[in-house]
Amino acid sequence: GDSVTQTEGLVTLTKGLPVMLNCTYQTTYSPFLFWYVQHLNEAPKLLLKSSTDNKRTEHQGFYATLHKSSSSFHLQKSSVQLSDSALYFCALRTNAYKVIFGKGTHLHVLP
Amino acid sequence: EAAVTQSPRNKVTVTGGNVTLSCRQTNSHNYMYWYRQDTGHGLRLIHYSYGAGNLQIGDVPDGYKATRTTQEDFFLLLELASPSQTSLYFCASSRDINTEVFFGKGTRLTVV
Repeated sequence: GDSVTQTEGLVTLTKGLPVMLNCTYQTTYSPFLFWYVQHLNEAPKLLLKSSTDNKRTEHQGFYATLHKSSSSFHLQKSSVQLSDSALYFCALRTNAYKVIFGKGTHLHVLP
Repeated sequence: EAAVTQSPRNKVTVTGGNVTLSCRQTNSHNYMYWYRQDTGHGLRLIHYSYGAGNLQIGDVPDGYKATRTTQEDFFLLLELASPSQTSLYFCASSRDINTEVFFGKGTRLTVV
């Protein structure tokens, strides 16, 4: 069946360093992937989305490229800030017309 | 920005109790969803709907019922609440399946 896998539960980095949060997926349908960010005590909000193979999509300094050959949609940022500390979810639109989420990755940025 | 309103924001009930969580969206969105969020499990889909009167089963439906009475209103019912249903519940909506999902602020449910 359809699934989304985020491998890291917690990523801790010092401010100014680059980050990559991993996301891989399985689906038999044409993939449509999302990244959502949830700050402490807030609701998740859309960060970026894509359905186009090998095209980079960017928002608020974050970027991701959908690679259908490797079923991946990793989230990256070249220089993390303290305000980037949050829970990040990768999500997949499935062929059952629903959106399923990965387990999430906590990003903790140190001063 | 799209508005999704959940009520109540916090609820405590006893084991075996009856609970209804309410959700209203004023965005004219077609899709509405109920998720639960638990540490180590992320967001898990309970039920969803793509229009008034429609109901689809999600990935963790056991112990939950849902009703979509109007385009705006989506309810989650726990008829015999159990401690395993203690969680943070999010309602969400989207215009269609490929567009942004907008979340409400969540309902924290505790079953004692």
